[in-house]
Amino acid sequence: DAGITQSPRHKVTETGTPVTLRCHQTENHRYMYWYRQDPGHGLRLIHYSYGVKDTDKGEVSDGYSVSRSKTEDFLLTLESATSSQTSVYFCAIRKGLAGVGTYNEQFFGPGTRLTVL
Amino acid sequence: DAKTTQPTSMDCAEGRAANLPCNHSTISGNEYVYWYRQIHSQGPQYIIHGLKNNETNEMASLIITEDRKSSTLILPHATLRDTAVYYCIVSGDSGGGADGLTFGKGTHLIIQP
Repeated sequence: DAGITQSPRHKVTETGTPVTLRCHQTENHRYMYWYRQDPGHGLRLIHYSYGVKDTDKGEVSDGYSVSRSKTEDFLLTLESATSSQTSVYFCAIRKGLAGVGTYNEQFFGPGTRLTVL
Repeated sequence: DAKTTQPTSMDCAEGRAANLPCNHSTISGNEYVYWYRQIHSQGPQYIIHGLKNNETNEMASLIITEDRKSSTLILPHATLRDTAVYYCIVSGDSGGGADGLTFGKGTHLIIQP
């Protein structure tokens, strides 16, 4: 499982409140990802990180920010949660380095179920 | 990344081989085919990947056609625990980028006792 944990595992919050989700890994992998999954859909990429303080946007980044101050932690923040951000959030790591000729095998955490009322 | 097409759902009898097809007709030369599965809202689990040759590991086999426009994931002896949504993903290397994976809706495989 690549030593990935997510916290909290479940959270209920109200519209307009800030929320931070944490992804923690124990194996010092360089690349980390945040995805969201909505009912009946596959996962969609929110943000990713390719090193400490190095992050970039994914497909559905509006309303989210991320930070990575340590290799092992990748934080996802909803500055002002909205009901449309009710979802299951998955963190993932990629083993090895990216580059020509490499492949993209990712390992996922258990997920955080977030409900915004 | 190239788009993939998979059947919405499939049934398979326990103990039989489950063959899950995937069409990826727009795949380009540097793109790999990956298979993941997701069991009942758990995090997706990597199964196997390939570029152009057939691949086998302890979980499954991957058969890629010679023109690489389609592939089949084979679970040789399906068990009830193989009931899951199976995602076929095509992903290439962007020359140093940390590509995310693009998930479609996948195939819901139901293993029948």
